[in-house]
Amino acid sequence: DIQLTQSPSFLSASVGDRVTLTCRASQGIGTYLAWYQQKPGKAPKLLIYSASTLQGGVPSRFSGSASGTEFTLTISSLQPEDFATYYCQQLNSYPLTFGGGTKVEVK
Amino acid sequence: EVQLVESGGGLVKPGGSLRLSCAASGFAFSSCSMNWVRQAPGKGLEWVSSISASGTYVYYADSLKGRITISRDNAKSSLFLQMNSLGVEDTAVYYCARDKYSNPAMGVDVWGQGTTVTVSS
Repeated sequence: DIQLTQSPSFLSASVGDRVTLTCRASQGIGTYLAWYQQKPGKAPKLLIYSASTLQGGVPSRFSGSASGTEFTLTISSLQPEDFATYYCQQLNSYPLTFGGGTKVEVK
Repeated sequence: EVQLVESGGGLVKPGGSLRLSCAASGFAFSSCSMNWVRQAPGKGLEWVSSISASGTYVYYADSLKGRITISRDNAKSSLFLQMNSLGVEDTAVYYCARDKYSNPAMGVDVWGQGTTVTVSS
């Protein structure tokens, strides 16, 4: 099975900060990776698919990139509504797997 | 409006069974591959199972294989998850979710609100 390791697990940041979240795959998955945002008590929301394609309706301050087995989600200027937990998911092969998540908290 | 509405969750004793349902509306359900994803209290997301649009292909998480069965009724725009031999570790919110463009490689773009399964004696 493909393992996804997200880092950091927790991140404290302030409004306006540029933040970068990392997801590392245990083996090559091409660009078959998605990023989700989840707020407490809510279902996840798709942000990025195919590693770097922005889902419709998602603000352009979110971006994704890939380099080998390392993937990053960047928020260029953190907004109050961005404090949430972020998950990556590999879609290269079954069983599909999620990373453990990164919780972005208010500093 | 595109919508997924789960039902069937509840309190069940260890060793019991439960059948979750997901009613889809607002899109061509029969053309879409679908998934179940769960989240234990205070924990991360865990993929549970996927099914192709026609129902021909099904996939299961290793930890649940043999205890669950995913199925669908395209005529009724409904997705199901039959769960047997439930243990306390199966306590979670279970989400029904649609693959974007019916392509599993694109991620999940529509989620239900979730249904809560609690396994306890």
